[in-house]
Amino acid sequence: GENVEQHPSTLSVQEGDSAVIKCTYSDSASNYFPWYKQELGKGPQLIIDIRSNVGEKKDQRIAVTLNKTAKHFSLHITETQPEDSAVYFCAASIYSGYALNFGKGTSLLVTP
Amino acid sequence: DTAVSQTPKYLVTQMGNDKSIKCEQNLGHDTMYWYKQDSKKFLKIMFSYNNKELIINETVPNRFSPKSPDKAHLNLHINSLELGDSAVYFCASSPGGTGNNEQFFGPGTRLTVL
Repeated sequence: GENVEQHPSTLSVQEGDSAVIKCTYSDSASNYFPWYKQELGKGPQLIIDIRSNVGEKKDQRIAVTLNKTAKHFSLHITETQPEDSAVYFCAASIYSGYALNFGKGTSLLVTP
Repeated sequence: DTAVSQTPKYLVTQMGNDKSIKCEQNLGHDTMYWYKQDSKKFLKIMFSYNNKELIINETVPNRFSPKSPDKAHLNLHINSLELGDSAVYFCASSPGGTGNNEQFFGPGTRLTVL
């Protein structure tokens, strides 16, 4: 089955700096790679996703890159703000309506 | 106007008991899921239903039985609860079919087995 590795497990940055979280996956059949943000006491919320026919996608301060050959994808958050502090999960799936295989999460702390 | 709702939010019970968690979505989605988040925050798929039919059943003990009375509801019944069942259980839904299939998660049910 699919195995998703996520690094780092914790990340602390100063407000205004950039944050990068990296994931690798094992199943070459995976074609859908979403990123979720989970705030304390809440369910995960989709922040951005990318499909295998695209190498990069950007939405305001958030961008995701995908290298399908190397089987890795990354989340980039620029100009971080304290409200970006949360746990971020990457995931992989063979298509977007199928079960998601999650990484173990990255706890991001943005200090003012 | 909650999209995916779960009840109860917290559930504390003794080992050996049987309990149910309910999930409802008002998004008109065809596919619903149950995920388990353990104490280390690892999220793992348990079940997936499409139009009331089971399509994914991961290696989950038989004590866990999902039931979908209609496509807006997916309940989770757990028999003979064990300490290791303590976790946060998340229900999710997605439109189904081809195209954009973002999964929307509920707020979670924190189950504590004593």
